[in-house]
Amino acid sequence: GDSVTQMEGPVTLSEEAFLTINCTYTATGYPSLFWYVQYPGEGLQLLLKATKADDKGSNKGFEATYRKETTSFHLEKGSVQVSDSAVYFCALLSNTGFQKLVFGTGTRLLVSP
Amino acid sequence: DVKVTQSSRYLVKRTGEKVFLECVQDMDHENMFWYRQDPGLGLRLIYFSYDVKMKEKGDIPEGYSVSREKKERFSLILESASTNQTSMYLCASSLLQSSGANVLTFGAGSRLTVL
Repeated sequence: GDSVTQMEGPVTLSEEAFLTINCTYTATGYPSLFWYVQYPGEGLQLLLKATKADDKGSNKGFEATYRKETTSFHLEKGSVQVSDSAVYFCALLSNTGFQKLVFGTGTRLLVSP
Repeated sequence: DVKVTQSSRYLVKRTGEKVFLECVQDMDHENMFWYRQDPGLGLRLIYFSYDVKMKEKGDIPEGYSVSREKKERFSLILESASTNQTSMYLCASSLLQSSGANVLTFGAGSRLTVL
């Protein structure tokens, strides 16, 4: 079945450091890919998405590119802030059958001043 | 501001109790979902519904049931709570789309502790 694999956390960075959180997927067909973020005490919210190969999703300084050849959707940000501390979830939406999201296990990011 | 509202943020129940988790959305979304979130396991789908009175099992439906009598409301029911159901429960909703860009809107979560 479809699955998403994320790098384990926590990822600990200093403010203004470069961030990469790796995400790879296994799916039949051509899924849509998402990054969701969960701030402390809150539910998940959409950060960015890409619906086809080579698409780049971007939001709030975060970017991720849909790489079909490597089945990856790595999340990057050039300069993190303390306010980016959260749990980040990679997810895919299969384009076969009923559309339900499959999530990775989440990666906690901790940014210190 | 459109949203998904989960009525209980924190609940403590005893083993064997019947537990109701309520979720209401005000976006007229067709699809609604219940996930549970556990450390190291991410989010796992329990049940979902794509229409009133319709329900489908997700990946871990055992020990749970759901009810969707109105479009805006989706309830998760634990018939006889057990300690291994201690978890964070997240409700979500989305439009019925075929484009492949379906975005879920999540509630803030209900943290359930079963003693």
